[in-house]
Amino acid sequence: GDSVTQMEGPVTLSEEAFLTINCTYTATGYPSLFWYVQYPGEGLQLLLKATKADDKGSNKGFEATYRKETTSFHLEKGSVQVSDSAVYFCALRKQYGQNFVFGPGTRLSVLP
Amino acid sequence: DAGVTQSPTHLIKTRGQQVTLRCSPKSGHDTVSWYQQALGQGPQFIFQYYEEEERQRGNFPDRFSGHQFPNYSSELNVNALLLGDSALYLCASSWTGTSGTGEQYFGPGTRLTVT
Repeated sequence: GDSVTQMEGPVTLSEEAFLTINCTYTATGYPSLFWYVQYPGEGLQLLLKATKADDKGSNKGFEATYRKETTSFHLEKGSVQVSDSAVYFCALRKQYGQNFVFGPGTRLSVLP
Repeated sequence: DAGVTQSPTHLIKTRGQQVTLRCSPKSGHDTVSWYQQALGQGPQFIFQYYEEEERQRGNFPDRFSGHQFPNYSSELNVNALLLGDSALYLCASSWTGTSGTGEQYFGPGTRLTVT
């Protein structure tokens, strides 16, 4: 079945460090790919998305590129802030209107 | 514009009891999906409701049931609660119409603890 794999956390970085969180997926066809963020005590918020191969999603300094050849959607940010501390979930959606399949999440802690 | 709202925020139940969780979708949305998020894990899809009918279902037992009302709000019911049902239950809403993006907007969740 469809699945999403993420790098295990927690990831601990100093402020202004470069961030990469790896995400790979298994799915037939051409799913849409998403990154969601969950801050402590809150629900999930959409961070960015890409709907076809080679698309780059970006938001708030984060970006991820849909790589069909490596079935990957790695999340990157050039300079993290303490406020970026949260849990990040990679997800896929097979078709418009269908449910999401989430990865296990990666906890990021940014230290001042 | 109110986003997705869920009630209650927290709930404590005993094994064997039944529970009902409620969700009001974002204004303009007609589809509601429910997810279970166990501690330290990603959300797992339970089911989705559209036009008051269950349209999709994940790998959850029949103890999990739902309902959607004419105003698009939804309920999740869990019968015969087990300790393993302890989790954060997330509701997500979306617009199924072709003019939408199909994006799901999540509520803050209901934290269910079964003792």
